[in-house]
Amino acid sequence: KAGVTQTPRYLIKTRGQQVTLSCSPISGHRSVSWYQQTPGQGLQFLFEYFSETQRNKGNFPGRFSGRQFSNSRSEMNVSTLELGDSALYLCASSLVRSENTEAFFGQGTRLTVV
Amino acid sequence: QQQVKQSPQSLIVQKGGISIINCAYENTAFDYFPWYQQFPGKGPALLIAIRPDVSEKKEGRFTISFNKSAKQFSLHIMDSQPGDSATYFCAATKAAGNKLTFGGGTRVLVKP
Repeated sequence: KAGVTQTPRYLIKTRGQQVTLSCSPISGHRSVSWYQQTPGQGLQFLFEYFSETQRNKGNFPGRFSGRQFSNSRSEMNVSTLELGDSALYLCASSLVRSENTEAFFGQGTRLTVV
Repeated sequence: QQQVKQSPQSLIVQKGGISIINCAYENTAFDYFPWYQQFPGKGPALLIAIRPDVSEKKEGRFTISFNKSAKQFSLHIMDSQPGDSATYFCAATKAAGNKLTFGGGTRVLVKP
């Protein structure tokens, strides 16, 4: 069974540009969440999508957005990049059952803003 | 607001020793507490998880202890091995959602 796939693995962008990251969840998983990981702030929740609807949102500015497609694949977009957006962006997918919410993470996309 | 506090930030343990990592949470609505292990260049991988109706859960060399009244939980790694050298994160969430709140992480180094 294939795991969570994130593309690309590495990105270098210039301040002010925008970027789109992609996540393909484990087959059958309908929930996709995004996290930002930095040395200073640790792992922080960005947002969660389930059945193409954003279900939860973290405390990030509106420059950070996402969407989910009918096949559960998800994308996140960051506009007007800032140096502080440099981070490892992680996607996690899960089967959503009331008693079982294990989240499985991809390897992440390393974004560097210069 | 850091809702899950994790300590220590780092620890060094000899091979065969016990690694202990502690976490404390504030939000009493949390009802699912997973631990993740992360190696450099990899995403976090689920190690073990516990619900507050259980005081202890053991899987192999890994044990979670949970104290609901104190709002604390801990990970014990028994017979630590060099391959256990990684960063460990505790987390908390409500079972019905996937908004994980993570602790700050503990970098564990197991010396041979």
